[in-house]
Amino acid sequence: RKEVEQDPGPFNVPEGATVAFNCTYSNSASQSFFWYRQDCRKEPKLLMSVYSSGNEDGRFTAQLNRASQYISLLIRDSKLSDSATYLCVVNDGRGGADGLTFGKGTHLIIQP
Amino acid sequence: DGGITQSPKYLFRKEGQNVTLSCEQNLNHDAMYWYRQDPGQGLRLIYYSQIVNDFQKGDIAEGYSVSREKKESFPLTVTSAQKNPTAFYLCASSHRTGNYGYTFGSGTRLTVV
Repeated sequence: RKEVEQDPGPFNVPEGATVAFNCTYSNSASQSFFWYRQDCRKEPKLLMSVYSSGNEDGRFTAQLNRASQYISLLIRDSKLSDSATYLCVVNDGRGGADGLTFGKGTHLIIQP
Repeated sequence: DGGITQSPKYLFRKEGQNVTLSCEQNLNHDAMYWYRQDPGQGLRLIYYSQIVNDFQKGDIAEGYSVSREKKESFPLTVTSAQKNPTAFYLCASSHRTGNYGYTFGSGTRLTVV
């Protein structure tokens, strides 16, 4: 059974701090990886794709470790507006929903 | 701008009533999906479709029905057979393989009254 596991949190972090969380996946055939952000009572929105070499977008850095089968998200200089649930999404490229697995999300709270 | 539109944003259903949630996309995506999200829970797949006139059941299809008569549209009907329909319903779309990510609609919040 394909699984994507995330620590549900909540992670309570002071404003300005750096926070990181991981997502582990069980399917070694997984091809593409994404981090989504979901605000309370809103739809998930794509935050960033995760590339094999790692990638950065402003204060956000995503890493992929295929050997250990996990992806990570690092947020530097955290802002109050970063408070949200972060969903890890793993796709094995077969197409359709069969190839797609969502984590249940990590809840992040940035405190002033 | 391309996007995916769900309507209505809020919907109230009486016991024993069927209701239909609309989902339209102009992203030229082949695949479309319906998910249900309950408070504090992850996304659960109801139905998905990869091409017109074809769709497959997801993990919790009982009490729901869909159609895919046009590439752009994938409406979901919540039937009276669905015993606990109060939830947040999300429609999504993607390219066929899903390797470029998924785009979600803004959701429909359904409440049984």
